[in-house]
Amino acid sequence: EAQVTQNPRYLITVTGKKLTVTCSQNMNHEYMSWYRQDPGLGLRQIYYSMNVEVTDKGDVPEGYKVSRKEKRNFPLILESPSPNQTSLYFCASRNTGSNEQFFGPGTRLTVL
Amino acid sequence: GESVGLHLPTLSVQEGDNSIINCAYSNSASDYFIWYKQESGKGPQFIIDIRSNMDKRQGQRVTVLLNKTVKHLSLQIAATQPGDSAVYFCAENQAGTALIFGKGTTLSVSS
Repeated sequence: EAQVTQNPRYLITVTGKKLTVTCSQNMNHEYMSWYRQDPGLGLRQIYYSMNVEVTDKGDVPEGYKVSRKEKRNFPLILESPSPNQTSLYFCASRNTGSNEQFFGPGTRLTVL
Repeated sequence: GESVGLHLPTLSVQEGDNSIINCAYSNSASDYFIWYKQESGKGPQFIIDIRSNMDKRQGQRVTVLLNKTVKHLSLQIAATQPGDSAVYFCAENQAGTALIFGKGTTLSVSS
């Protein structure tokens, strides 16, 4: 089944404790992206990657890092999480020539 | 900066009615516009897109209209069904830049 998977789906952590949210897609998509979704603010793009070893900042990159060492994986790294990063996070992927973006199921992160 | 917004946060319709969800955008240089549907507890799902050089595009039971003069985008859903109940987002994108989403309209369909 073609899909985007994220792990973990739920995470509660404390301020300053480094964490990584993994994202993997099995559709051989070049483009991958991370979003956060907050009430009243909608979906905002954090980082995106046009292909392996190519990453760019989105709308709200502060406090996040990403890497794209392999085509299928695009982990989101929070080096020192803070409470304002409590949010619902979505990973997505698509082919370069298409606007049809496939989203993962989401990761609900709470930073205490 | 760019902004994409929806006119109404909620829309309630009866099953079988046609629904129209509106979106206003501010970036005239956007290359395409996209509509997504998000059901409760799930990630957004692509519905349809439209290039900036088009006025109208039709899909299965959906039609998107683009009015560049007033920077307005709409999604029309024909014969709305209970399964159409969800939050609908419009998004705009310039090639090579971030995808900007609107804040969403919640569509509620009653039987």
